[in-house]
Amino acid sequence: NAGVTQTPKFRVLKTGQSMTLLCAQDMNHEYMYWYRQDPGMGLRLIHYSVGEGTTAKGEVPDGYNVSRLKKQNFLLGLESAAPSQTSVYFCASSTWTVGTEAFFGQGTRLTVV
Amino acid sequence: RKEVEQDPGPFNVPEGATVAFNCTYSNSASQSFFWYRQDCRKEPKLLMSVYSSGNEDGRFTAQLNRASQYISLLIRDSKLSDSATYLCVVINAGKSTFGDGTTLTVKP
Repeated sequence: NAGVTQTPKFRVLKTGQSMTLLCAQDMNHEYMYWYRQDPGMGLRLIHYSVGEGTTAKGEVPDGYNVSRLKKQNFLLGLESAAPSQTSVYFCASSTWTVGTEAFFGQGTRLTVV
Repeated sequence: RKEVEQDPGPFNVPEGATVAFNCTYSNSASQSFFWYRQDCRKEPKLLMSVYSSGNEDGRFTAQLNRASQYISLLIRDSKLSDSATYLCVVINAGKSTFGDGTTLTVKP
């Protein structure tokens, strides 16, 4: 009964380093999303995917890349981390049907020093 | 102008009070609407969907006003456990946009 799983849960990066965050869902959902949440703010959409092999930009895509090679996985990459990317990252997935809720992972707390 | 805007809050209310939050959206083509609850440093969890006819779940009532492009959440008989941040989310063609959230603190 895993739902949406994010790895890692915590990470500290040095400026300029790269990393990949993995989101895995076992609910056969078509839609997957990556958000970032800064202190005192709501969730801002980074990228999203409406199905395997597709990706689209959200509100704040700069500095991030994504891939959806398999339906159950949605990867978020930071090629050259910057302190401004210090945030909590949430992944979510949902079905194709309009009106269906999204399920969230537990979040990844990333600090870039 | 942001696509989705919420009452800035914070709301500090005594137990038993009734409190209401509003959330406005700019895209008239938006299709689905939800309220999520987020506890400190945790992932958001669905509180309730918002249907065109309005819907109620216990002490919680959600309403949608398409003409004025806003959704609302009413909480009756507030409990200490209702203290959290409430996020509205608007969905259009698969893209979901969250509001910044309204923080509610219920005090004894």
